[in-house]
Amino acid sequence: QQQVKQSPQSLIVQKGGIPIINCAYENTAFDYFPWYQQFPGKGPALLIAIRPDVSEKKEGRFTISFNKSAKQFSLHIMDSQPGDSATYFCAASISGSARQLTFGSGTQLTVLP
Amino acid sequence: NAGVTQTPKFRVLKTGQSMTLLCAQDMNHEYMYWYRQDPGMGLRLIHYSVGEGTTAKGEVPDGYNVSRLKKQNFLLGLESAAPSQTSVYFCASSTRLAGGPHNEQFFGPGTRLTVL
Repeated sequence: QQQVKQSPQSLIVQKGGIPIINCAYENTAFDYFPWYQQFPGKGPALLIAIRPDVSEKKEGRFTISFNKSAKQFSLHIMDSQPGDSATYFCAASISGSARQLTFGSGTQLTVLP
Repeated sequence: NAGVTQTPKFRVLKTGQSMTLLCAQDMNHEYMYWYRQDPGMGLRLIHYSVGEGTTAKGEVPDGYNVSRLKKQNFLLGLESAAPSQTSVYFCASSTRLAGGPHNEQFFGPGTRLTVL
């Protein structure tokens, strides 16, 4: 049973565009929602994370929007660059659960020059 | 600091062979994890450990065993490899401290395993 559903599976945008990646979760006990970025041949690395007590968080060109009632959250990348081309994973975890992360299936983003 | 390292980087096994993947971290983290990554399925937790000498099952533990004899090392074993275990394996670690940046899991570079 996939507890975190991610879409789209792949995304192609032009440089400067604003790709949006969406995730939906089922378990209302989740209270930490990170996004990980993975380049080919590398391990995932934390990009940005949010807790459900806020509706939006920005770090540089990356923004998470969170809708607790809809159980959805999304990643927006402003002014996207070719260097942002990577696979992006959303995830969710429950405090006190040894930080076990439940990952979405991933979105392969390509930013064209 | 090297962070999280994994050995080996690549391995090809025949069905029925056994092997051990080694994960080491130098950040003094209490928690360690083993994931497998398959196309279209994200990362799935195999086993995890909350401290030296303790391990627990994750989402997909069947066919794998783990050991955490030292705080800095977490070993993943395949006793009798099967083609279904062809995957990329990632180790990760995190601190027991709670809140803010302490929630981050740090990942190793991965081990690509092929079982023929």
